[in-house]
Amino acid sequence: QVTLRESGPALVKPTQTLTLTCTFSGFSLSTSGMCVSWIRQPPGKALEWLALIDWDDDKYYSTSLKTRLTISKDTSKNQVVLTMTNMDPVDTATYYCARTQGRTGTALDYWGQGTLVTVSS
Amino acid sequence: SYELTQPPSVSVSPGQTARITCSGDALPKQYAYWYQQKPGQAPVLVIYKDSERPSGIPERFSGSSSGTTVTLTISGVQAEDEADYYCQSADSSGTYKVFGGGTKLTVL
Repeated sequence: QVTLRESGPALVKPTQTLTLTCTFSGFSLSTSGMCVSWIRQPPGKALEWLALIDWDDDKYYSTSLKTRLTISKDTSKNQVVLTMTNMDPVDTATYYCARTQGRTGTALDYWGQGTLVTVSS
Repeated sequence: SYELTQPPSVSVSPGQTARITCSGDALPKQYAYWYQQKPGQAPVLVIYKDSERPSGIPERFSGSSSGTTVTLTISGVQAEDEADYYCQSADSSGTYKVFGGGTKLTVL
């Protein structure tokens, strides 16, 4: 059974760095083809893809946010970590992690429940 | 940057057919995926690779593709289908994922 769970602070201050952890089970990121993405959704707005890391430790970032994002993995802990620097109130959103079986041409087939991050002083 | 365009809203009566479109220049080259999201919940995959249905998704959900437009069709809409629906694909390189702006399906 595949599960993913996001964790991290519920509140961050402007200019701070956000660190989110996705802890998953039911698959391994050392298995060829496995990938984890981060996606966010501001309140009442659309989904936005942020980043992806694959089994080979290749990393891909949203072109609009790439200067602020870093994605990494700890295969032994079944975790993927996303950091986002210089947080702003517009970054207030629910952040999701999700799995794909393949870097391209595959669906986000399992999602975590999401974690709401509010950026406010 | 690459964009997928969806209508903001679609309304249908129970038992009717709902069609939600998604347009994007790279859709002839890249698969499309559809996700259903109900309030307070994570998205759920309902269609993958343009027209394939995951196990557990009712047969009334179907997908199709024609040129730069993909369509999610819900036949015999039920009240429980009221939700936001998002299409997702990738840019022409296949590297960068992108979501449409979402369509709110209202069951009258």
